[in-house]
Amino acid sequence: AQTVTQSQPEMSVQEAETVTLSCTYDTSESDYYLFWYKQPPSRQMILVIRQEAYKQQNATENRFSVNFQKAAKSFSLKISDSQLGDAAMYFCAYNYGQNFVFGPGTRLSVLP
Amino acid sequence: DADVTQTPRNRITKTGKRIMLECSQTKGHDRMYWYRQDPGLGLRLIYYSFDVKDINKGEISDGYSVSRQAQAKFSLSLESAIPNQTALYFCATSDLLSTDTQYFGPGTRLTVL
Repeated sequence: AQTVTQSQPEMSVQEAETVTLSCTYDTSESDYYLFWYKQPPSRQMILVIRQEAYKQQNATENRFSVNFQKAAKSFSLKISDSQLGDAAMYFCAYNYGQNFVFGPGTRLSVLP
Repeated sequence: DADVTQTPRNRITKTGKRIMLECSQTKGHDRMYWYRQDPGLGLRLIYYSFDVKDINKGEISDGYSVSRQAQAKFSLSLESAIPNQTALYFCATSDLLSTDTQYFGPGTRLTVL
């Protein structure tokens, strides 16, 4: 069965600095999708970034970028120029077909 | 207006009561999902539906049932609620042509006393 691991339950970053959240996953598939979702205190799940496994180029969305290492089954999220509004739970997720698996989450605090 | 809505947003109930959580969407998506979120466990899939006549069990379906009343509506029922069903419940949708991305409702906080 596929699993998603986020080894950092909590992290903190100074405002305007850069932080990297880690995610590893286990799969025997070669063509799948990976996601980072953000959950602020409002509870809403917000899609941050999406990566297609068959694309070698790392996805980027404004201040958010990923480091996708397919062979290592690693998918980390880098947040640049951190803002107070980035404070939230961040979930890494894997999808193959209708199999959606989420990691346990990393709580990110942003310090002013 | 939100694309995916859930009612109620918060609910407190007692052990043994029947509870229904409702989800509606205006995105026109075929596929709908129910998840529960527990601290330290992320989101786990309860049930999913590809269309009105298709219902599938997810990872943790025991103690739950669902009904897909229309393309836009997908309800989750707890026939006899128990305290360990206290959790945050999310509905999500995805498009048949883009099934890799899911769009979530705002969640329902359910407490079973």
